[in-house]
Amino acid sequence: AQSVTQLGSHVSVSEGALVLLRCNYSSSVPPYLFWYVQYPNQGLQLLLKYTTGATLVKGINGFEAEFKKSETSFHLTKPSAHMSDAAEYFCAVNFNDYKLSFGAGTTVTVRA
Amino acid sequence: DTGVSQNPRHKITKRGQNVTFRCDPISEHNRLYWYRQTLGQGPEFLTYFQNEAQLEKSRLLSDRFSAERPKGSFSTLEIQRTEQGDSAMYLCASSLRGTSGYNEQFFGPGTRLTVL
Repeated sequence: AQSVTQLGSHVSVSEGALVLLRCNYSSSVPPYLFWYVQYPNQGLQLLLKYTTGATLVKGINGFEAEFKKSETSFHLTKPSAHMSDAAEYFCAVNFNDYKLSFGAGTTVTVRA
Repeated sequence: DTGVSQNPRHKITKRGQNVTFRCDPISEHNRLYWYRQTLGQGPEFLTYFQNEAQLEKSRLLSDRFSAERPKGSFSTLEIQRTEQGDSAMYLCASSLRGTSGYNEQFFGPGTRLTVL
């Protein structure tokens, strides 16, 4: 069955430290992959996406992610966390032509 | 055009009442999607339209739920005889269906429903 798994429901980092959020998917065919961010009581904002081409994808706000087909992973990183990065992050996968399947989300808190 | 809009942003209702939400997509987008997000979970797909045609409905969409997109522009999602389990954030998204490749979904701010 096709699925999306985010490892770790909560991540706490110090300001200036590396942010690493993990996402794995289960599919026999490489899907399209996305990371979204959600601030409290708001909708989803696209951080970055992988559809085809280069496997290292750069997004907004200094985030990037690498698609590793052999590991079926699409982990999100940011070299230096900022207080404004505190939010909930969702990995999403498009297994077919229309719907997105989301992971359960990872809440990021940033310590001063 | 500033993006996908949803109204109302918040709705509090009593169990058994009917509620209706509206979504206005980005004007040139021919696909519109509804998702539901419960507390602590990622959004789950409910249904989607291409123009005015409803092409897919999730098993999550019980008989009490109905969605329409009568003129291929805005869409409404109605829940009849609401239950406490319907309390969630209802998200709308839209995209432009091209001839090839994936078409990014743009999300609205959501409607938060609380059923008392």
